[in-house]
Formats: sequence, C-alpha cells, structure tokens
Amino acid sequence: KNQVEQSPQSLIILEGKNCTLQCNYTVSPFSNLRWYKQDTGRGPVSLTIMTFSENTKSNGRYTATLDADTKQSSLHITASQLSDSASYICVVTGFQKLVFGTGTRLLVSP
Amino acid sequence: EAGVAQSPRYKIIEKRQSVAFWCNPISGHATLYWYQQILGQGPKLLIQFQNNGVVDDSQLPKDRFSAERLKGVDSTLKIQPAKLEDSAVYLCASSSRRPRADTQYFGPGTRLTVL
Repeated sequence: KNQVEQSPQSLIILEGKNCTLQCNYTVSPFSNLRWYKQDTGRGPVSLTIMTFSENTKSNGRYTATLDADTKQSSLHITASQLSDSASYICVVTGFQKLVFGTGTRLLVSP
Repeated sequence: EAGVAQSPRYKIIEKRQSVAFWCNPISGHATLYWYQQILGQGPKLLIQFQNNGVVDDSQLPKDRFSAERLKGVDSTLKIQPAKLEDSAVYLCASSSRRPRADTQYFGPGTRLTVL
C-alpha cells in the first residue's frame, strides 16, 4: 500500500534553533518527493523537489535530503524564524499519483 | 503570474444543505485538482481534470459530490446534500505538464463548516 508517514506529528522550538522533520514512504514506483509548507488558512507551497538521483536540495534555510534506498527523507530548517510556524507536508509522486503525508505542525516560539 | 483563485474563502451551512465552490487555475494550466483536507490530515484527492476531461475521480463520493470543468478552465465542486463529516478545507490546485505529475500550485482553499 502506498503510504507516506511523517514524524513528529508536532514540534515546538525556540526561535533561532534548528530542527529536522522526517518522512518515510512506501510509494512505488517512485518518481519524486516534495516538501510543502502550509501556513494556517492557506494552500501548500512547494519548498523542494527531489528525484531518485538527488540526495540533497536546498532552498534558503530549508535543506531536504533523500535516501532512496531506505525510502526516507528529511527536511532541516536552520536558524528558525517565527514565520516558519506552519505545517510541513511530505508528498511522494508514484505512477502519476501524489501521496500526501499527514504533515508535521511546527511552532516556532519567541 | 496570478495564482490559483478560489471562492468563497469560508462557508458555513447546515447539514443537508447544498454548497458550491469555485476555482480558477493558473492561466494555461491544463490539469486541475480538487482536494479535501480534514483538520490535522494531509490533503486527499477528490478529482483530477485534464482540460475538461476527468482523469481520476476514484475517491469522489459520487452520491453527494459532483465537479465539472467547463471549457477546460474554471471548475466548480458541489456538495448536495452536505453532511457533518464534510467539514474540511477544499483545496484547488493546478499544474502545467502531463503525463507526469508536475509541481502543483495550490489555491488558498475554501473552509467549509457543516453544522
């Protein structure tokens, strides 16, 4: 069964600290993996996209990694800001289908 | 470039009433998606259009949900009659390339509350 699992479910960190979000998937065949950021009351916005041959991708303070062998991905946020408070959703594309994780809700506290 | 537009942003109705949502995708995007996102969960695909044809509606509750995309541009999603469990955010997204799923651009969503 195609599934995407994310951990932790929620996370609270202090402003300026780093954090890492995890994504494990069982989607097959694998096409690509995206991380989306979803602010409260808004639609998801794409942060990074990685294909099978890519193992790291950065977008500013966001760095995503992919291990296609173990089917794991992580999203590392450096020097967190209050505006990073949001849900982060891992999405894996299989055969023309997107499988969404349930997301990690991040709260950055001042 | 203008993003995906949705309206209304919020809607409150009583159960058994009807409701309709509207979506205007990014200009030129052939593929349009409707998702249902229940609080605390990831989005669930309801229906996918390629131009004005349906590609995937396997998870659309067809006894109460319907969607159309006339002329391959704007789309409407209707619920008739609504149930309490339909309370969710309804997201519309569009993308520009097929057959492979390209990056989807999401609208702000319509938050539906069924009382």
